[in-house]
Amino acid sequence: KQEVTQIPAALSVPEGENLVLNCSFTDSAIYNLQWFRQDPGKGLTSLLLIQSSQREQTSGRLNASLDKSSGRSTLYIAASQPGDSATYLCAALGKLSFGAGTTVTVRA
Amino acid sequence: GAGVSQSPSNKVTEKGKDVELRCDPISGHTALYWYRQRLGQGLEFLIYFQGNSAPDKSGLPSDRFSAERTGESVSTLTIQRTQQEDSAVYLCASSSQSGGQETQYFGPGTRLLVL
Repeated sequence: KQEVTQIPAALSVPEGENLVLNCSFTDSAIYNLQWFRQDPGKGLTSLLLIQSSQREQTSGRLNASLDKSSGRSTLYIAASQPGDSATYLCAALGKLSFGAGTTVTVRA
Repeated sequence: GAGVSQSPSNKVTEKGKDVELRCDPISGHTALYWYRQRLGQGLEFLIYFQGNSAPDKSGLPSDRFSAERTGESVSTLTIQRTQQEDSAVYLCASSSQSGGQETQYFGPGTRLLVL
């Protein structure tokens, strides 16, 4: 069974700092890895999808890398803003095994 | 076009009653997934439908849980004899291909509270 772990569980940074969120998974035979954000009381918003043949994906201030051999993915958020405060989830495989999330607080 | 929709958005029920949750996927999406998220916990996979294939029910927590899907359209998740531990947000997602090769698009969820 695929197990997904996210470190740290919570992160607080001043506005403008770069964010680094880590995700590790136990089964390297994944189809893809997807990063989501979840805002309180709302559903999930997909941020980036990295397919198994790719090493990274970028969208605006977001960059996600994937290293299947080491079972790791990292989400970078550049120049954080208060609006980036949310819980960030990573998920692996077609049925999506989710990590528990990293709750980010960006202080104005 | 319209995204994934779910109904009801909120449901409060008494312990022991049955509930039905509905999901309308994005038109043309062949894959449909159900997940749940209990308060303070991560997302938990429940069941997966892909076209006319037999569904993957490996995530259903007990035989009180069942789900159906009509073709490639609406799906209903039924919880019989609800228990307080069933209280959670139930999320539905759809994607256009199987095996996780495409992004999953999530609905807003149904918040279920069992008293």
